[in-house]
Amino acid sequence: DTAVSQTPKYLVTQMGNDKSIKCEQNLGHDTMYWYKQDSKKFLKIMFSYNNKELIINETVPNRFSPKSPDKAHLNLHINSLELGDSAVYFCASSQVRDRDEQYFGPGTRLTVT
Amino acid sequence: QKEVEQNSGPLSVPEGAIASLNCTYSDRGSQSFFWYRQYSGKSPELIMFIYSNGDKEDGRFTAQLNKASQYVSLLIRDSQPSDSATYLCAVRDYSSASKIIFGSGTRLSIRP
Repeated sequence: DTAVSQTPKYLVTQMGNDKSIKCEQNLGHDTMYWYKQDSKKFLKIMFSYNNKELIINETVPNRFSPKSPDKAHLNLHINSLELGDSAVYFCASSQVRDRDEQYFGPGTRLTVT
Repeated sequence: QKEVEQNSGPLSVPEGAIASLNCTYSDRGSQSFFWYRQYSGKSPELIMFIYSNGDKEDGRFTAQLNKASQYVSLLIRDSQPSDSATYLCAVRDYSSASKIIFGSGTRLSIRP
């Protein structure tokens, strides 16, 4: 009964490849997020969706494209992977946009070689 | 660019002592403040939130907020080895779709 799940947990790939990370939440939350945490542990928001609508789109390269087929799922597709994309990517959800607690998934460690 | 600043540590505290973690933020209009704990290799989890000036206590944890000085702190009483983790301070930016801005975290180590 995992609240926020992500797949895969680890992803090792070569530069130039395209990859996707999937996220699902079973909490009935309306809002979902993608965060990137770099090697210095700095956690930065990338995207946020509220009921399948994009509400936050930070200055992220357009190689990154989120997709929310329904409010329980938020996937992240990355084209033409670069070395600098190596990081841990966390999915999170919250009940509504302004509610305080965000529940994080276990993270996907992406390594680009 | 709104910022949240933390000392990266590591902060080493003996078991049973009080650990004090500090955070400053740049946006004077900020109203919601959070402390997340992140164990190595794990995801962040919310441990405290505070909205009003003063102290908020929850078990061994106390969050302190001073909006005039733009700082928020977290006190952990009777520190345990299981408290060893990275603590992330976060601030909600209501001017930008209510996104949460995180600090880079302070690594806390409780020595037995």
